[in-house]
Amino acid sequence: DIQMTQSPSSLSASVGDRVTIACRASQSISRYLNWYQQKPGKAPKLLIYAASNLQSGVPSRFSGSGSGTDCTLTISSLQPEDFATYYCQQSYSTPYTFGQGTKLEIK
Amino acid sequence: QVQLVQSGAEVKKPGASVKVSCKASGYTFTSYFMHWVRQAPGQGLEWMGIINPSGSSTTYAQKFQGRVTMTRDTSTSTVYMELSSLRSEDTAVYYCARDARMIWGVTSFDYWGQGSLVTVSS
Repeated sequence: DIQMTQSPSSLSASVGDRVTIACRASQSISRYLNWYQQKPGKAPKLLIYAASNLQSGVPSRFSGSGSGTDCTLTISSLQPEDFATYYCQQSYSTPYTFGQGTKLEIK
Repeated sequence: QVQLVQSGAEVKKPGASVKVSCKASGYTFTSYFMHWVRQAPGQGLEWMGIINPSGSSTTYAQKFQGRVTMTRDTSTSTVYMELSSLRSEDTAVYYCARDARMIWGVTSFDYWGQGSLVTVSS
């Protein structure tokens, strides 16, 4: 199975900050990497697919980059509604594993 | 609009089975694969498997092989996930999620059900 490791596991930031979350795969996954946002008590929401493609309706302050074993999610200017947990997921091969999550909290 | 509506919460005893449903609407049911993902309390997301609603082929995570069965009913646009031999560690919210592969050629989960809480307790 491909292991996905996110860093950091938690992050405190302020409204307006630029934040970056990293995701590392245990082997190359090309660009088969997705990012999800999850708020408490809610289902995950797709933000980015195939490493850098913004899902329809997702604000442009979210962006993704990378390929191979390392990808990143960047939020250019944090808004109050962005405080949530973020997960990366590889869709290169089954089982489609997720990272452990990054909890983004208000400083 | 695309909707995935799941069945309600369940409480089961250890050793029992549970069957969770996910009713799809707003798109052509047989054109999109469906996944099941679970999330234990306070934990991360865990992929369980995938079903092709068109031909009913399935792929399961090794961890669940022998205990999970995914089926579908095309007449009602519903997929089902049945998990047997339940133990306390299976207590989790179970989600169905649509595979967007049909749209842009790579797997990602573009629509999710609201989740179904399964509690395993004696």
